[in-house]
Amino acid sequence: DAGVIQSPRHEVTEMGQEVTLRCKPISGHDYLFWYRQTMMRGLELLIYFNNNVPIDDSGMPEDRFSAKMPNASFSTLKIQPSEPRDSAVYFCASSLPGGGTEQYFGPGTRLTVT
Amino acid sequence: AQTVTQSQPEMSVQEAETVTLSCTYDTSESDYYLFWYKQPPSRQMILVIRQEAYKQQNATENRFSVNFQKAAKSFSLKISDSQLGDAAMYFCAYTDNNDMRFGAGTRLTVKP
Repeated sequence: DAGVIQSPRHEVTEMGQEVTLRCKPISGHDYLFWYRQTMMRGLELLIYFNNNVPIDDSGMPEDRFSAKMPNASFSTLKIQPSEPRDSAVYFCASSLPGGGTEQYFGPGTRLTVT
Repeated sequence: AQTVTQSQPEMSVQEAETVTLSCTYDTSESDYYLFWYKQPPSRQMILVIRQEAYKQQNATENRFSVNFQKAAKSFSLKISDSQLGDAAMYFCAYTDNNDMRFGAGTRLTVKP
């Protein structure tokens, strides 16, 4: 099992540019989560999907952020336009159904917006 | 909304000694799950231990054990025989559905 795969691992971009982060969940997992980690705010849930459908996007900071899951094996988190305050580590995680199941995290994407 | 509080931003322990990391949470639910995750410098989030609220018995995983006090809404992690590889950020997490909430984390340093 390859685990949750995220790409790129590092992204450096200039303010105003579009950024797309990618995630491949573990095969068979019905839930997919996007988190953002910063020193100031810790680990924040941005959005999560169940069977490719967005369930809760209340953590998405603003309209510049959007997430899609076109199929069970792929999700994207897009920031357009990017701003320096978006600099953070973005994690994708997946899990099986059930409230007590473990979330398996990807290695994260470190985003730097200059 | 459920909140998770880790009151110790940093902790240190001598190698081979025991350390306890604290976590409290706020919820009105009776059925929920609690987790401790470890994040080493590689930044990979790794599950350490899991506790179901309906179970009174404290979970244990080798050198890691928890002290779950449901009435007090407390969920501390005890690491016995600390090893250098235990140095990491430790996050306490809560969920009662699929929406997991994390504490701010405790940075653990292990001194040789």
